[in-house]
Formats: sequence, C-alpha cells, structure tokens
Amino acid sequence: DSGVTQTPKHLITATGQRVTLRCSPRSGDLSVYWYQQSLDQGLQFLIQYYNGEERAKGNILERFSAQQFPDLHSELNLSSLELGDSALYFCASSEAGASTDTQYFGPGTRLTVL
Amino acid sequence: GQSLEQPSEVTAVEGAIVQINCTYQTSGFYGLSWYQQHDGGAPTFLSYNALDGLEETGRFSSFLSRSDSYGYLLLQELQMKDSASYFCAVKPHRGSTLGRLYFGRGTQLTVWP
Repeated sequence: DSGVTQTPKHLITATGQRVTLRCSPRSGDLSVYWYQQSLDQGLQFLIQYYNGEERAKGNILERFSAQQFPDLHSELNLSSLELGDSALYFCASSEAGASTDTQYFGPGTRLTVL
Repeated sequence: GQSLEQPSEVTAVEGAIVQINCTYQTSGFYGLSWYQQHDGGAPTFLSYNALDGLEETGRFSSFLSRSDSYGYLLLQELQMKDSASYFCAVKPHRGSTLGRLYFGRGTQLTVWP
C-alpha cells in the first residue's frame, strides 16, 4: 500500500458524459501527478500540482481539467467523454526535497466509456 | 520530442538473470527511474540513478551511462513473482516541484518455472 488513495476504483459511463476522479496523496506529500495509461499509449503524464498550484502540463486534453485543494487532495475532471478516453488513470504523489523524487502511485481508476 | 526505448517483452526461467535495457532521448535529464507494475496494479518504484554507475538494491540493480543516454535494470535470482511490466522513466527537471516523469512503453517480463 503506497498511502495514495484514489476513488472510485472503477467507473463506467457513456460518451458525452462528465466524471470526476479523486486522489488523496500520502500524508505530507505536496506534489500530485496525474497519469493516463492506455494499451496503445503507455503511461502518459497529464498534469502536476504542487501545494495547490499547477506546475506542469503534459498531454492533457482541453476537455480534461484538474485542481488541488487546500487539504492537498486532487480531482481530475473529464468531460465530453469519448470512447478513446477509456483507460486507467493513476494519481501519484512525491515528497518535497527527497533525493530520488520517488513517485508513489495510487491503485488507479479504471474508466470505461461505452 | 521525448523518446524512451525498451524491449516490449523478455522471458526467462526461475533463478536466471535478466537485463532490461532502456535508451532515452529527452529534452532534459536529471535521473532515470525504474518502476514495476503487476497486471492492472499500481506502478511501484524500484530504483533511481542520477549519476553514472551501478545502484544495487537486493536482487535488483540499475545502471546508468549518461554519456550513452542508456540504462538497464538487472534482475537476479528471478522468481515467479517477478513476472510483471517494468518501466524506465526519465526525470527531466531537477527538484520535486517540477517532478514529471517520461515513461517508456514498458517491458513485459515473464518468468517460467
């Protein structure tokens, strides 16, 4: 158990809908990262928040948005869902100042868009 | 663009040694990490190299050559439970406030009895 929690574990929805994925980082970790893992694209970085502020953006679609709240939990919002958005979505957190900057991954949310 | 190349599959028998290579081309480089992922599970951290040379952690070792943009993960005394996907990942920026990782596509290791 990495200490990172994600809810829900599974999500099944229809095209055009909107969903929210939630992540709670390890206690004390200030950085939260979101990754998308699909069969044909591997693990793709979406976005990073550090202590409530957006720090880096990757291949995140405009239909997707995220935020980190004062208690450091984060939410990833996916809207106007398409079939191709079906994937595993991982949240990870890291400890500020650690020499290895190890990222601790949550169990993921498996999103299925029908 | 960013590119990390690693073999898609490797097979070996229990007790053997296997090496998974990773070559990278990224716009920045601060360190190379390795993660293990069992089917449908969360990636878990295995090792990290920021400097050239070998890092050993139990049955796993990782090597980095910055001049060759190359690293490898060495798994010794293979066990069935080592069957998983292994990802190399580049950290392009220094510091954890900008800590994104670029991941390779992963190497599926199958260990046979």
